[in-house]
Amino acid sequence: AQKITQTQPGMFVQEKEAVTLDCTYDTSDQSYGLFWYKQPSSGEMIFLIYQGSYDEQNATEGRYSLNFQKARKSANLVISASQLGDSAMYFCAMRDSHGTASKLTFGTGTRLQVTL
Amino acid sequence: KAGVTQTPRYLIKTRGQQVTLSCSPISGHRSVSWYQQTPGQGLQFLFEYFSETQRNKGNFPGRFSGRQFSNSRSEMNVSTLELGDSALYLCASSPIKPGLAGGPLINEQFFGPGTRLTVL
Repeated sequence: AQKITQTQPGMFVQEKEAVTLDCTYDTSDQSYGLFWYKQPSSGEMIFLIYQGSYDEQNATEGRYSLNFQKARKSANLVISASQLGDSAMYFCAMRDSHGTASKLTFGTGTRLQVTL
Repeated sequence: KAGVTQTPRYLIKTRGQQVTLSCSPISGHRSVSWYQQTPGQGLQFLFEYFSETQRNKGNFPGRFSGRQFSNSRSEMNVSTLELGDSALYLCASSPIKPGLAGGPLINEQFFGPGTRLTVL
């Protein structure tokens, strides 16, 4: 069974600083996908970044980058130059690799608060 | 391109009633998944539909069901509502794209705003 662990229930970061949100995963699959989503208080889940297990380069999307360490089974999200609008819940998720199924297994999330 | 839409956005029901939630995926997306989010259990996968067929189902009782129409729109139904069914129900649509360098399929899931169901 797949499992995602996010050990930081809450994080604070000052505006314009970088922050790393931790995510470790457990799977016996060789082929899998890892995702990060942002959930503001409105409830909508916003896709941020994706990393495939075979991707050799760390994924980057604007201010978001994913620090993928396959041997350690970690997929930490790095947000550079934090903005007040980054305050939200952040979820790490893993996609089941069997067939073309789209089931995502989510972690418990990290609440990020960006301060002035 | 319009995003995933879910209706209604808010719903209040009483125990024992049934409810139907609707989801319209992004145009061209054929896969629709449903998730339940509660403070206690977090985000849990309910089921996934692709081309009108249920491909995957989470660990929920049979009171939870769904279907997908030929236009990819999906509905989920919960019968005999219980207090514990109060949750945010999220729908996600996904294109099916091949992975990079022989890797897994990239199934980015794009979520709708959710339907917040309150059971009294």
